[in-house]
Amino acid sequence: EDKVVQSPLSLVVHEGDTVTLNCSYEVTNFRSLLWYKQEKKAPTFLFMLTSSGIEKKSGRLSSILDKKELFSILNITATQTGDSAVYLCAVEGMDSNYQLIWGAGTKLIIKP
Amino acid sequence: NAGVMQNPRHLVRRRGQEARLRCSPMKGHSHVYWYRQLPEEGLKFMVYLQKENIIDESGMPKERFSAEFPKEGPSILRIQQVVRGDSAAYFCASSLLSSGDSTDTQYFGPGTRLTVL
Repeated sequence: EDKVVQSPLSLVVHEGDTVTLNCSYEVTNFRSLLWYKQEKKAPTFLFMLTSSGIEKKSGRLSSILDKKELFSILNITATQTGDSAVYLCAVEGMDSNYQLIWGAGTKLIIKP
Repeated sequence: NAGVMQNPRHLVRRRGQEARLRCSPMKGHSHVYWYRQLPEEGLKFMVYLQKENIIDESGMPKERFSAEFPKEGPSILRIQQVVRGDSAAYFCASSLLSSGDSTDTQYFGPGTRLTVL
């Protein structure tokens, strides 16, 4: 059965710290991995990763995919209180190129 | 360009009533997806629709749930004879492309929070 596992489930850090969120997956015919940020609203898209070893960056956020070991990490440097959210990882399989398989999320709390 | 719109934002129903959730995709998007999010869980796929067609409803319960995406108007997720277990947040997403060679990003609406009393 296809699955996506995120760790840790929750994380509390202080402003300015760097955090690394993990997402591992088992999916038939992997197509892409996506990261979303969910605050008290709908998930907002962060990154889509399809190729191994190529880092994607957006400001203080970056992400990379390892298709051999079947995981991705999301890094946030110099965290701010506005980064507090649930970070969701989702994977898309080739056989089902629309249906996203979601992890349970990592709840990140940034303390001032 | 307006994003994905969902209404109502909050919906309260008593057991046995019907719930209708609406989703207007982003302009130009013809693919709609419905997800359900239970407390402390990730989103679960329910159904994927294109205009006037249900492409995949494998994640939707066989009974009481139905979805449509007419040629004109929003996509509707309908839950008949609601039960307490239907209480959840229901998110709609839309995309420009889907099948074929391209993978396209899904953009999410704000969700409808359904509470069944």
